[in-house]
Amino acid sequence: NAGVTQTPKFQVLKTGQSMTLQCAQDMNHEYMSWYRQDPGMGLRLIHYSVGAGITDQGEVPNGYNVSRSTTEDFPLRLLSAAPSQTSVYFCASKRTNPPGANVLTFGAGSRLTVL
Amino acid sequence: DAKTTQPTSMDCAEGRAANLPCNHSTISGNEYVYWYRQIHSQGPQYIIHGLKNNETNEMASLIITEDRKSSTLILPHATLRDTAVYYCIVRVDDGANNLFFGTGTRLTVIP
Repeated sequence: NAGVTQTPKFQVLKTGQSMTLQCAQDMNHEYMSWYRQDPGMGLRLIHYSVGAGITDQGEVPNGYNVSRSTTEDFPLRLLSAAPSQTSVYFCASKRTNPPGANVLTFGAGSRLTVL
Repeated sequence: DAKTTQPTSMDCAEGRAANLPCNHSTISGNEYVYWYRQIHSQGPQYIIHGLKNNETNEMASLIITEDRKSSTLILPHATLRDTAVYYCIVRVDDGANNLFFGTGTRLTVIP
């Protein structure tokens, strides 16, 4: 199993450009989420989804959109990139059915720089 | 959610046991203690979790005090590859619940 796959690993954008960070998991996990991590800080939750067709906001959702059309994929869209969105982004997933431990599996991360 | 308090950083000699403390004095009866770690630039990795009994797996041991207000993660024989940031998180074990990460403890294993 590949686990959680994120693409791209690195991306440089100019202010105002849009882009999509891709996240795919092959573990049939119902729950998926996106976090961002800034230097010296912990991870902050952006958006999450408990199943296909269901998404919700986390701690820092502004400037980001998500959709969950399939169980496997959970893309994160930046509509108009800003320098404040320069960060490392992590996608994570976990099983929720049957209910079990909060054991998240993380991707390797996507490092985004907005100039 | 119960808040957790961890030291900002710790050092440990290679081959010795690393004991990482976590205070969670406001923990509720149905909240579990989770530990994750993040090796430099990688995604966080699950280590272990427990409710009130001590737990052990191939990576570490988790000791939870009887009043559940604090816990200790033990890496029995630390190696250089254990150098990482360790996060202690308290959360109800409802599968849909989100996990919120603080800043953790930066453990440096010294040769």
